[in-house]
Amino acid sequence: ILNVEQSPQSLHVQEGDSTNFTCSFPSSNFYALHWYRWETAKSPEALFVMTLNGDEKKKGRISATLNTKEGYSYLYIKGSQPEDSATYLCAFINAGNNRKLIWGLGTSLAVNP
Amino acid sequence: GAGVSQTPSNKVTEKGKYVELRCDPISGHTALYWYRQSLGQGPEFLIYFQGTGAADDSGLPNDRFFAVRPEGSVSTLKIQRTERGDSAVYLCASSLDGGTRANVLTFGAGSRLTVL
Repeated sequence: ILNVEQSPQSLHVQEGDSTNFTCSFPSSNFYALHWYRWETAKSPEALFVMTLNGDEKKKGRISATLNTKEGYSYLYIKGSQPEDSATYLCAFINAGNNRKLIWGLGTSLAVNP
Repeated sequence: GAGVSQTPSNKVTEKGKYVELRCDPISGHTALYWYRQSLGQGPEFLIYFQGTGAADDSGLPNDRFFAVRPEGSVSTLKIQRTERGDSAVYLCASSLDGGTRANVLTFGAGSRLTVL
C-alpha cells in the first residue's frame, strides 16, 4: 500500500509568520511529486512539480524542496498573508503504479490578520 | 475551452435516484481524471481516462459508478441508485498527457452532490 502523509494536519499562524509543512511518501520507484493549493470554494491549483532529488522550486513567497532518497518534501511559506489560507495538498506519482497520483490528506493553513 | 468545466455545480437528489455529472476538459488534454472529496478527506481517485479508454478504473467504489468518455473529450460520471454516502464534491481534472511527470492537473470547480 502506497501512503502519502502530510503534517501537520492543520496550522494556525499570524500574518507575517513563516511556516513550513511536510509531505512524506515512499522512497522507492519515485516518479514525481506535485504540490497543489486548494482554497475554499475554488478548484485545486498546481503549485509545483518536483521530479529530481534535491529539487528546489520557488513561486513568490512559497518554495518547496524534495528529498527522494528519504521520501519527503517540504513546503515553505515566507511571511504568511491571510490570502495564503488554504489547504495544501501533495500528490506522489509512483513509476510502477500506472502513474496514478496518490494524494495526501493535506495541511490546512489559516493565517490570522 | 479555457478551463475545465463541470456541470452541474450543485446537485441535490434523493436516495435511490440516478445522477450524471459532466466534465468538459481543456481542449487537447488527452488525460482526464475523476476524483471525489468527502468532508475532511483528501481527493479520492475514481477513474483515469487516456483518450477514450479508461486506463485505470480501480478507484470506482462499486458497480453503481460508471464513467464514459466516448469521443476522448467530454466525460460523464454516472451514479445509479444513489446512497447518502455518495454525497461529496466530485472533481474532474485534465492534463496534457497523463504519462508525463511534469504535466500537472488542471481541476474544474467540482460538482457538489448531496443525496438526501
